[in-house]
This record gives sequence, C-alpha cells and structure tokens, in this order.
Amino acid sequence: SQQGEEDPQALSIQEGENATMNCSYKTSINNLQWYRQNSGRGLVHLILIRSNEREKHSGRLRVTLDTSKKSSSLLITASRAADTASYFCATAGSFSQGGSEKLVFGKGTKLTVNP
Amino acid sequence: NAGVTQTPKFQVLKTGQSMTLQCAQDMNHNSMYWYRQDPGMGLRLIYYSASEGTTDKGEVPNGYNVSRLNKREFSLRLESAAPSQTSVYFCASSANSFLTTDTQYFGPGTRLTVL
Repeated sequence: SQQGEEDPQALSIQEGENATMNCSYKTSINNLQWYRQNSGRGLVHLILIRSNEREKHSGRLRVTLDTSKKSSSLLITASRAADTASYFCATAGSFSQGGSEKLVFGKGTKLTVNP
Repeated sequence: NAGVTQTPKFQVLKTGQSMTLQCAQDMNHNSMYWYRQDPGMGLRLIYYSASEGTTDKGEVPNGYNVSRLNKREFSLRLESAAPSQTSVYFCASSANSFLTTDTQYFGPGTRLTVL
C-alpha cells in the first residue's frame, strides 16, 4: 500500500524554535493531509493540501507540497511546549492491487518542544 | 456535540475471550472507520463503513468483525482475542464518502490488552 513516510522519526527542539517535519510518498496523489496526536489521545486534523497547491498556511502552521519530488513538509513556527505531539501525514492508498483507495497514515514524527 | 465517543476506554482480556468495542458519532457523518495503533507504527485501517448499511475490509481485518448498527454507531468485535490484538483502537468518522479527501474525526481510543 502507498504510505507517507515522515522524517525525522523524532525531533526535539527548544520553545520558540521552528520545527520542520517531512513526508515522502510513492505515487501520484490528489491531496495530502496532516494530523496531530497528543499523547494518549486521538488524532486531530490540521490541514489538507491539494495537488494543485504548493503552499498552505494555518496560524503557525505552514505546509508545502512538491509533487515533482513526491514530498510535503510541515513547518511549525515559534513552537510552544503545547506543540509537543506526534505528527502524521496521510495520503490515498490501496491495500491490494486494484483495490479502492483509502486514507493511509504514515508512522509519524514525534516532536518534543522543551520549555 | 460530543463528536466521536468510544467505550470502554481500557480493557484487559484473556486469550480466547470476546468483546465488542463501541463507537458512536453525533455529527451525522456518513463514513466511519476502525483503526489500530501499535508502538512505532502509524494507524492501520481494520474496517470501514462508507455509508450506513455497508462495511468493507481495510488493511488488517483478520480476527475482527464489524457492525454498522445505524448511521451513528459502528462497533468492532473480537470473537476470540489473541495477544497480537493488544493495541490501541481508534474509531473515526468523516462527513462524506470521499474516503481519501474527507477530514476524519477521531475518538479518544480504547486501550486493549490481551493476556
């Protein structure tokens, strides 16, 4: 199945610094989504970027998409301790040859923001 | 609105026991999903229901059954629990049946341990 792969697996920064996470995928996509998961909680949708968009902003979040490189990045500016969480990208993929597409999640980047 | 609710929050089973995980959403969403999350792994789709009255297998359906009881409720049943099913289970829903585009809304999860 196609699956986004996040990089790095873990990231530790100081409060106030910027955090950048990357997601690479294998085949053409129509859109890519980013989700956040706080420890012990369910995932929360952050942003969706479509294949015809190169950049999208939401508050302190900036997402870019480079379809030629099959990659996306999530930038969190001026990070806060409350941004400590795991971040997942999700893209369309199928679980069997010829199967219908569903949303497939990567393994995530664990971000720690130290106060 | 409560969003997506799951019961129970925690459960310990012995190998061979059965149980049903309950999920309900109050957002009038068409689609509902069951995922499992294991340490170091992303979310893996077990089963989904694109609309009331339909269910389909995801990536890891073996050992599970589901029921879309009505538009609000989607249950996951383990008929004979195995230690390999120790995991955190998340239910999610999305407004439409555009499985790769819709934003998914997640419940808080059920932490299941099979001894």
